[in-house]
Amino acid sequence: IQLTQSPSSLSASVRDRVTITCRASQDISSFLAWYQQSPGKAPKLLIYGASTLQTGVPSRFSGSGSGTDFTLTINSLQPEDFATYYCQQVNSYPLTFGGGSKVEIK
Amino acid sequence: QVQLVESGGGVVQPGKSLRLSCAASGFTLRTYDMHWVRQPPGKGLEWVAVIPYDGTNTKYTDSVMGRFAISRDTTKNTMHLQMNSLRAEDTAIYYCARGRPSDMDVWGQGTTVTVSS
Repeated sequence: IQLTQSPSSLSASVRDRVTITCRASQDISSFLAWYQQSPGKAPKLLIYGASTLQTGVPSRFSGSGSGTDFTLTINSLQPEDFATYYCQQVNSYPLTFGGGSKVEIK
Repeated sequence: QVQLVESGGGVVQPGKSLRLSCAASGFTLRTYDMHWVRQPPGKGLEWVAVIPYDGTNTKYTDSVMGRFAISRDTTKNTMHLQMNSLRAEDTAIYYCARGRPSDMDVWGQGTTVTVSS
């Protein structure tokens, strides 16, 4: 299952609202997770089941979608949110990740 | 606290072997699916292999099938990735991660593997 993320990169300012999309090549129901990766760090789980916030993740992060189209939204972007974001499907093996979306400071 | 620590990375010549380890603490490894995920320099994440909680039916991405082997030692609460016949394209940071049905919720800090002559 291929996952296509867009945009691959974007520039935004603190307090902006950012939306990243992830499209699956086939129906994956809600078996989608989102991760944040800061430079030099391991990925960190943000959202699972397409829309459930992982414990400890700020509520400005939200996820939506099902089937083939999914969205990660960051409301009121904070300085620590400048990072690369990946979607991942856990519907079937081989598990796959999207190509990543890098959020940079404008 | 729940933690994963990888070790065993290094520089190795093409065709040689390397064994990575992932030590788990704060939880029992055999109650979770455990994964290896890699990230080539400057690129995205690639799932590599999984050993299910019951230790059976291990799975691999096509590019490592027949060359890599995932295993675990439940007495040491440690997982391994035996990598044989290494290629330049195997160069990456290798992460171990704890799996849930919905995601990978705990990740190690990664260990770097460089395949070069």
